[in-house]
Amino acid sequence: DADVTQTPRNRITKTGKRIMLECSQTKGHDRMYWYRQDPGLGLRLIYYSFDVKDINKGEISDGYSVSRQAQAKFSLSLESAIPNQTALYFCATSVAGQPNTEAFFGQGTRLTVV
Amino acid sequence: EDQVTQSPEALRLQEGESSSLNCSYTVSGLRGLFWYRQDPGKGPEFLFTLYSAGEEKEKERLKATLTKKESFLHITAPKPEDSATYLCAVFYNTDKLIFGTGTRLQVFP
Repeated sequence: DADVTQTPRNRITKTGKRIMLECSQTKGHDRMYWYRQDPGLGLRLIYYSFDVKDINKGEISDGYSVSRQAQAKFSLSLESAIPNQTALYFCATSVAGQPNTEAFFGQGTRLTVV
Repeated sequence: EDQVTQSPEALRLQEGESSSLNCSYTVSGLRGLFWYRQDPGKGPEFLFTLYSAGEEKEKERLKATLTKKESFLHITAPKPEDSATYLCAVFYNTDKLIFGTGTRLQVFP
């Protein structure tokens, strides 16, 4: 089983619909991240969480919200989906501490908003 | 502005033709620089971590180096299976992890 699991893997939704992407991890890491990836723009940080009570906005948080339900679960919501939110979304985890260690990624969720 | 820039955007190599990928960064308080490999439709796969200028890491045909302003990923005698997008990322003072836009590498037989 994958250490970082994202569901669903693919989703097509209509403009204006609410959608939730889920991420769960078995690595025991405190830190979790949500990124979106667009061609030519690379991976951009949406939100990140350093523990259950800590949520921070990334560089492109508008139109998104998150919930850290437990150490192992971090979900991303689009309250009212719009077509320019069509992208590949990745969840990642890392362990807290210095020096920083690498982040581990899920397999991604391909979201299409029509 | 905190930024990570990778070059070239795309690179086509003949099998066996060695080359280097560049990652330059303008962040304060670098805490770690990471190289990842990403295959189409998949999540990034970790390759290397570098923490301080002068540090080098090697894995098979890949070697990563770090200076105070940039990192290089050297690919020696590449094979077609090395074809992928290579991503560079940095942790810095704000404790965020930011990525460059990647270099898409194609190796032809």
